[in-house]
Amino acid sequence: KAGVTQTPRYLIKTRGQQVTLSCSPISGHRSVSWYQQTPGQGLQFLFEYFSETQRNKGNFPGRFSGRQFSNSRSEMNVSTLELGDSALYLCASSFTGDSYEQYFGPGTRLTVT
Amino acid sequence: DQQVKQNSPSLSVQEGRISILNCDYTNSMFDYFLWYKKYPAEGPTFLISISSIKDKNEDGRFTVFLNKSAKHLSLHIVPSQPGDSAVYFCAATGAGSYQLTFGKGTKLSVIP
Repeated sequence: KAGVTQTPRYLIKTRGQQVTLSCSPISGHRSVSWYQQTPGQGLQFLFEYFSETQRNKGNFPGRFSGRQFSNSRSEMNVSTLELGDSALYLCASSFTGDSYEQYFGPGTRLTVT
Repeated sequence: DQQVKQNSPSLSVQEGRISILNCDYTNSMFDYFLWYKKYPAEGPTFLISISSIKDKNEDGRFTVFLNKSAKHLSLHIVPSQPGDSAVYFCAATGAGSYQLTFGKGTKLSVIP
């Protein structure tokens, strides 16, 4: 089975721009979560989608948004980029059911200049 | 307020010996715990998990112990191998949520 894929792997943007990141979950996985990793804050939960509905949302400003499509693929969008948004953005998928294991993609490294 | 804490930023262990990584949590609602390993420039890789109804779970060289009364869990790696050198993250979730709360990680170095 193919793992979680994320595109693009690297991205450089300028302050004020917006960015869209994409995630394809493991086949059969219906839940997709997004995390931000920074050196200071570690791994922080952004949001989780299941069957095209946002089920959980972390403590991030409204500039961070996401969506999930009927094939479980997900995108996250960050508008009006700030320097502090520079981070590794990780997507994780899970099968749901009795286990809570999430399987992560390689991440998208976003640099805001 | 950190709900999941890994108080040791780094740990060095000789090859063949036991590595013990520790994790403490404060949120009583957490009922499922996971350990992930992360290499640079890669996403975290799931290692092992434990439900709060258990106090121990084993998978090969990896064993996780859970002490609910102390709100403490630990990951034991026996024997440690150089390929185990990575950053290890403890994570927790609860109440049917798929939101994982992570610790800041412990960098394990296994010395040949």
